Amino acid sequence: AQSVAQPEDQVNVAEGNPLTVKCTYSVSGNPYLFWYVQYPNRGLQFLLKYITGDNLVKGSYGFEAEFNKSQTSFHLKKPSALVSDSALYFCAVRDIDSGGYNKLIFGAGTRLAVHP
Amino acid sequence: DAGITQSPRHKVTETGTPVTLRCHQTENHRYMYWYRQDPGHGLRLIHYSYGVKDTDKGEVSDGYSVSRSKTEDFLLTLESATSSQTSVYFCAISGLAGAGASTDTQYFGPGTRLTVL
Repeated sequence: AQSVAQPEDQVNVAEGNPLTVKCTYSVSGNPYLFWYVQYPNRGLQFLLKYITGDNLVKGSYGFEAEFNKSQTSFHLKKPSALVSDSALYFCAVRDIDSGGYNKLIFGAGTRLAVHP
Repeated sequence: DAGITQSPRHKVTETGTPVTLRCHQTENHRYMYWYRQDPGHGLRLIHYSYGVKDTDKGEVSDGYSVSRSKTEDFLLTLESATSSQTSVYFCAISGLAGAGASTDTQYFGPGTRLTVL
């Protein structure tokens, strides 16, 4: 079965410093990987996804993610954190059911706190 | 929130009562999903639909049923609500109709906060 793990419940970083939110995956076949962000009292917003091609994927709000096949990781990164980046971040992997339909399997989430 | 509305946005109900949550989309996406979000669990899939009247169970479907009688609406029903169903419920859509449309990326509604007393 496909799965993702987010090993950190919370990440703290100072504004202006680089940030990394970690995600590792376990899949059979080629992985389709996603990052979503959730601001307080809002739904999830799509940030970026990796399907194939360049291992560095660029997304919304200056975020990027690095796909590493040998380490089975898909870490979210940003060169310079903003206080407004403080939110809950979810990693997800695509799964396909017996009928060939897509589903997403989500990690437990990582809370990012950016301090002024 | 990508043309997705959920109603109600907040609801407090009592154990044993039926509850129906509605998800409405104006985006003509083929696929619709219901998730629940609980601390420490991320999002867990309850049910999903791959077309009108075509639905299937997710990983936490016990105690829930769904219906989709038209493309734009996906209803989630708790037949007899229990306190363990207190949660935030999210609807998502994917698969915009048309050639070459990606069915992978899901777009989420604003959520419904349900409290069962």
